[in-house]
Amino acid sequence: EIVLTQSPATLSLSPGERATLSCRASQSIASDYLAWYQQKPGQAPRLLIFDASYRATGIPARFSGSGSGTDFTLTISSLEPEDFAVYYCQQRRSWPRTFGHGTKVDIK
Amino acid sequence: QVTLKESGPALVKPTQTLTLTCTFSGFSPISSKMRASWIRQPPGKALEWLARIDWDDEKFYSPSLKTRLTISQVTSKNQVVLKMTNMDPVDTATYYCAVGLHGDDYFDYWGQGTLVTVSS
Repeated sequence: EIVLTQSPATLSLSPGERATLSCRASQSIASDYLAWYQQKPGQAPRLLIFDASYRATGIPARFSGSGSGTDFTLTISSLEPEDFAVYYCQQRRSWPRTFGHGTKVDIK
Repeated sequence: QVTLKESGPALVKPTQTLTLTCTFSGFSPISSKMRASWIRQPPGKALEWLARIDWDDEKFYSPSLKTRLTISQVTSKNQVVLKMTNMDPVDTATYYCAVGLHGDDYFDYWGQGTLVTVSS
């Protein structure tokens, strides 16, 4: 099983600031089969990024993904009020599909 | 417009079997090459993938829960069903149905989730 470790657990930032979230895999995720999801309280997760760097339909350009192998990053270039949420990474490289434990981005 | 909705009991007793149904609309499972998963989230905790069924009826299970899970689909009703046996309080969680379409192997669309509490 591929274990995904997200850091930091919590990121306290102000609107307009840049957010950098990390996801490290316990083994290489070939073909960059990694996604990022956003979850707000009381809501289902929403797909933001797939295959490490491709934005899902309707996702604003301030969200970007990068990385390969075992180290991946989600960057939010300038935080909007609606971006304060929990973010999860998820791999589809192998079975079982696994998620990280999430990074909470909260308002400083 | 793609929609998914989970339904099932809000409360089950320990040792009982949980049956959850995901009813979807806005796409055809076969022509859209649907991949439908169940994912759960205990209160305040992370997401856990449980099982998946594809448009061609291929099935995949989480190894840690494989002996307790059965996933199936009722094509005529646009439904995907999950059964989980021998429920325990640690299984208390919000259970989500999520699908990838057009061969996508990510969770493009999600239901709103249904909270299941296991308690005597």
